[in-house]
Amino acid sequence: AAGVIQSPRHLIKEKRETATLKCYPIPRHDTVYWYQQGPGQDPQFLISFYEKMQSDKGSIPDRFSAQQFSDYHSELNMSSLELGDSALYFCASRGTEETQYFGPGTRLLVL
Amino acid sequence: GQNIDQPTEMTATEGAIVQINCTYQTSGFNGLFWYQQHAGEAPTFLSYNVLDGLEEKGRFSSFLSRSKGYSYLLLKELQMKDSASYLCAVTDNFNKFYFGSGTKLNVKP
Repeated sequence: AAGVIQSPRHLIKEKRETATLKCYPIPRHDTVYWYQQGPGQDPQFLISFYEKMQSDKGSIPDRFSAQQFSDYHSELNMSSLELGDSALYFCASRGTEETQYFGPGTRLLVL
Repeated sequence: GQNIDQPTEMTATEGAIVQINCTYQTSGFNGLFWYQQHAGEAPTFLSYNVLDGLEEKGRFSSFLSRSKGYSYLLLKELQMKDSASYLCAVTDNFNKFYFGSGTKLNVKP
């Protein structure tokens, strides 16, 4: 079965640079969630989209923005990167059922 | 607010049974999930409970008591590959996920 796809899988950036993470949900899933997970921590909810509209907002910094496109893929744009932004970024998608299915994640390292 | 508690770490022996507990206090409730997460990998869906009772799925079972705000994940016939973190997550009336801090399970030979 098709799963959530995230790209890139690994990303190295320097402070103050920008990064764009992409998420392709499971086919026919219309809801996308973004999470940030630091080492040894549980996933922290950033933002979610339903039918291309922002549906909820969590602890997403003002330096970050995201959107969902007509094909339901989503992009997380991160600007003015800081060392503390180094983390695993997961995207999860959901269809008509309640379960969120997670992608493999993007490991971001800010130097 | 949301408050989800689970033990930080547990150790069990290969072949044994282990129960991981999760208690929650949330302002709304629309279901409880258990996910397995190996280090550096994505959380993998294990179970979903929205009604009271036990859901069995192979070696894994999950129990929910809404009145007590309590759930457990039961792992039987433990295998070394079961060593991972187990995340309890509760959804509110808006389908927003709230994760516990996870329980790191160490399975020893």
